[in-house]
Amino acid sequence: GNSVTQMEGPVTLSEEAFLTINCTYTATGYPSLFWYVQYPGEGLQLLLKATKADDKGSNKGFEATYRKETTSFHLEKGSVQVSDSAVYFCALSDQENTGNQFYFGTGTSLTVIP
Amino acid sequence: EPEVTQTPSHQVTQMGQEVILRCVPISNHLYFYWYRQILGQKVEFLVSFYNNEISEKSEIFDDQFSVERPDGSNFTLKIRSTKLEDSAMYFCASRWDSPYNEQFFGPGTRLTVL
Repeated sequence: GNSVTQMEGPVTLSEEAFLTINCTYTATGYPSLFWYVQYPGEGLQLLLKATKADDKGSNKGFEATYRKETTSFHLEKGSVQVSDSAVYFCALSDQENTGNQFYFGTGTSLTVIP
Repeated sequence: EPEVTQTPSHQVTQMGQEVILRCVPISNHLYFYWYRQILGQKVEFLVSFYNNEISEKSEIFDDQFSVERPDGSNFTLKIRSTKLEDSAMYFCASRWDSPYNEQFFGPGTRLTVL
């Protein structure tokens, strides 16, 4: 079946530190992969996506590369800011599935301190 | 920028009561979804809806749940007889047609069953 395993949190970093949040997946078909971010009191917002192997998604300084060989889609940012404090969700969508439901990881809470 | 909206933001109800959660998806989107997130747990898929019918549903979506798109703009989730374990954040989402496209999420409705 389809599932996403995400690095447990919470994660606390100092401003300008390097961030990695690990995400691995299992899928029956050829999934698209996504990172969503949830700021306090808000809904889920798309951060970046990749639809095929070796694609790199990037946005707001965050990057993630679709690695089929390791079934991973790790999120990275070179220098985090206080404003990056949020919960980050890795998700996959099985393109062969008619409804294209999303399968989410458990979410990783990130706190960046000045 | 178009967005998915949900009302109410917080709903408190007594066990056994019926609740209706409302969503207004983005106007030109074709696929609609409900997810829920019990506190501290994963975001879980409930149901997907396309062309005025359910296209897929999870094991969670039993006979107590129903969805409707009554007027071409609203998308509702009804829980007929709420249980304590239905307490969760409920997210509505919508997307355009391609399975490569991301889903756009609303801010969520927090349902508390007493």
